[in-house]
Parts: sequence; C-alpha cells; structure tokens
Amino acid sequence: DAKTTQPPSMDCAEGRAANLPCNHSTISGNEYVYWYRQIHSQGPQYIIHGLKNNETNEMASLIITEDRKSSTLILPHATLRDTAVYYCIAMKTSYDKVIFGPGTSLSVIP
Amino acid sequence: KAGVTQTPRYLIKTRGQQVTLSCSPISGHRSVSWYQQTPGQGLQFLFEYFSETQRNKGNFPGRFSGRQFSNSRSEMNVSTLELGDSALYLCASSLARFTSTDTQYFGPGTRLTVL
Repeated sequence: DAKTTQPPSMDCAEGRAANLPCNHSTISGNEYVYWYRQIHSQGPQYIIHGLKNNETNEMASLIITEDRKSSTLILPHATLRDTAVYYCIAMKTSYDKVIFGPGTSLSVIP
Repeated sequence: KAGVTQTPRYLIKTRGQQVTLSCSPISGHRSVSWYQQTPGQGLQFLFEYFSETQRNKGNFPGRFSGRQFSNSRSEMNVSTLELGDSALYLCASSLARFTSTDTQYFGPGTRLTVL
C-alpha cells in the first residue's frame, strides 16, 4: 500500500471550511484514497473514499488531483464536534488491512 | 441501520487471565476484522474473518485468537494476559462483496486494561 503523508496538526475556525491535505505520491492505479477520523478514545469513523473523481457525501468532499498524487478532504462548515484526528490512507480494496499513519489532528476553534 | 457493536466497552483484568471480546457487525456484513490500537504502536491488524474462516492474520502471538459464527458475529480471545496487551481493541465490518467500493466500518472499541 502507498505511504501517505499529512500535516501533524491544523486549526480551523468554527463555521469555516476545513481543508485537510494528504500526499500519496506513490499511489498505484488500483488504490483508493480513504479518509477516516477518530475522536479521542472512540472507534475510527469512515468519512469518504475515492479513486480518481471528486466525491461528495453528507459529511465531506474529497478532491483528488488529476495525477492522483495528492488529495484534499473538505469539511464545508466545521463544528466543534469535528475536532479529531483525521487519517488519509491508500488501500486497494476494503479487504486490505487498514493502516493509519500519524494523521492530522484538527482542532476546531470557537 | 445499527452500526458495529462491541461488548464489553471497558474491561479490567490482571496478568495471566484470559479475556473474550465480542463484535456484532452491521446487519448483512460478512467480513469482520480485528485491530489493536495503542498510543505507541498505533493501529495494528490482528485478523480478518469471512464466512467463519480466518482469511488474513497479522503478526501477533498465538495468545491472540478469534472466531466467527454463522451469523457473522465474531469473538476474539486473548489468553495469559500481559501488561502490554492493554489497548483499545477495535472491530471493523464490511459487506465483503469482493468489490473495491466496499468500506470497513469500525465499532466503538473495547478498552482493555491489564493490571
């Protein structure tokens, strides 16, 4: 599985869009980009995933660059409850082992 | 639809004891994976079950074992507990449709403390 790199921490003002970047320059053609988040001591929560097209669901939007070497998770209107560690991972299928890196610790500030 | 449930949520044991953790996947999901999460090691894969068969196994000692029942519910057992087994144990389920659009959904975890 491709290695991903993310900034260790970010702040975002409540109500503003949170844009979380992820670099996956070694991603292979059959690997999907998945995003999960984990609020302290709770189970990871699936957010969104995509292959090459931009994706949107009720939680977030995922923008993948045309060369697929990086992506951005967008939380359109961040709330205090979005404060969590966000993990970007590359997996071939859901049957791959989920392997989290350090992730990005997002703090939403009132 | 109910999410992945895990019981118990918290557990305190002493060294040398054994423990059994339970996971009920989302209704209709056939694959169950188990993970151990610690501050030092991060998220580590234990094993994955599908149709009552272990399909994949991580690098853990034989003290860690699991099984899956015909209703897809799964249990994992840790025998001869050690202090280092203190962790958050997570269960994840997926439909296992053998397509790459499937997704693993995690449960809330069982927090195991070994004294």
